[in-house]
Amino acid sequence: GAGVSQTPSNKVTEKGKYVELRCDPISGHTALYWYRQSLGQGPEFLIYFQGTGAADDSGLPNDRFFAVRPEGSVSTLKIQRTERGDSAVYLCASSLGSGPDAFFGQGTRLTVV
Amino acid sequence: QKEVEQDPGPLSVPEGAIVSLNCTYSNSAFQYFMWYRQYSRKGPELLMYTYSSGNKEDGRFTAQVDKSSKYISLFIRDSQPSDSATYLCATSSSNTGKLIFGQGTTLQVKP
Repeated sequence: GAGVSQTPSNKVTEKGKYVELRCDPISGHTALYWYRQSLGQGPEFLIYFQGTGAADDSGLPNDRFFAVRPEGSVSTLKIQRTERGDSAVYLCASSLGSGPDAFFGQGTRLTVV
Repeated sequence: QKEVEQDPGPLSVPEGAIVSLNCTYSNSAFQYFMWYRQYSRKGPELLMYTYSSGNKEDGRFTAQVDKSSKYISLFIRDSQPSDSATYLCATSSSNTGKLIFGQGTTLQVKP
């Protein structure tokens, strides 16, 4: 596709459940980023992939959060034992191998009830 | 103190006005400075980015960085109602998309 695609666009889950959020980056972009955006705040960095490997996962808040990118394209953000505080918009971005200009998807709005 | 500070507004201006949006940052290692526009319930859209100090112009938009004062600005000339959105500044110390964002400023341009 022309842009970064994220699915689902909305996800409602019960506290304690497991969720997976998917990101399909721009074709040819080797770098992929996950961010989290709470209401009224700017996005906060979670993790960055260069190819298949996680180059920087310093933003993951705890070990309930995990992300993979097994073939260097699509990425999945996985959240175990969800908590109400995990409710936010999860944004994915991609960029060419070098350069700070990241292009964002529309986000997945996660609500934990 | 946050690494990037941005007044959340809201900022309301009449159509045609010149808009000035600003951020300050604390880390002198930041080298890349970005401005994103975010419409309600949409992802951030990259407007422009600059490297180090100086100005960059793109149509009605001008980005300005003053590293000596750690101050970032975005100017919008001849503002339009379609410019109504949240504007996010972002910085990076590396040549990657690992960005630190400000809180965002909500702008409303009234017809």
